[in-house]
Amino acid sequence: EVQLVESGGGLVKPGGSLGLSCAASGFTFSSYSMNWVRQAPGKGLEWVSTISSSGENIHYADSVKGRFTISRDNAKNSLYLQMNSLRAEDTAVYYCARDFCPSGVCPFVIDPWGQGTLVTVSS
Amino acid sequence: QSALTQPPSASGSPGQSVTISCTGTSSDVGGYNYVSWYQHHPGKAPKLMIYEVSTRPSGVPDRFSGSKSGNTASLTVSGLQAEDEADYYCISHGGSNHLYVFGTGTKVSVL
Repeated sequence: EVQLVESGGGLVKPGGSLGLSCAASGFTFSSYSMNWVRQAPGKGLEWVSTISSSGENIHYADSVKGRFTISRDNAKNSLYLQMNSLRAEDTAVYYCARDFCPSGVCPFVIDPWGQGTLVTVSS
Repeated sequence: QSALTQPPSASGSPGQSVTISCTGTSSDVGGYNYVSWYQHHPGKAPKLMIYEVSTRPSGVPDRFSGSKSGNTASLTVSGLQAEDEADYYCISHGGSNHLYVFGTGTKVSVL
């Protein structure tokens, strides 16, 4: 069974930094692109970042570009998100999610997802 | 890149059908057949219901169906059941600079 378990959320002051981790199990982690998606309180889902299976290709939403850094360690089956210069609007539940690749083809679909970890940016 | 537009809410009685629209542009919904739909119960992980516009993953009931016309994709839930009450989001590929574009979300209520 695929499992994605996020950790590292918490309370941080505006301008501060926080690092999130996602421990993956139940699949060959090094074969899949991975994603971070967030949901602010009372708001909709928002894509944050994607990293390819090798880590060579990385994409960010405009809202976090230059402040957030996605990375992965395939030896440790782990995905990371380093968040710097945090703002109040970064307050959200952050989900780790895998690319969905039925029959070996990955048609720009995100699934499955973890349960999420809450990041609160407040003074 | 703007979010895809969904109606804030939709509702129906048990057994009825409800259709949710997802409107984008030719740079996302209209440009690719990479539209997927997710069901999200608060506090839980989102669940994939439809991908590539109209394909259901295994385990998803055939009461859920998807379609697309031009820049608008749609999700139809037929034979509404109480457990279908949730938030629904569409997602589209938006090109190499906007890998994923999310919809604004629709709260479906079963009356």
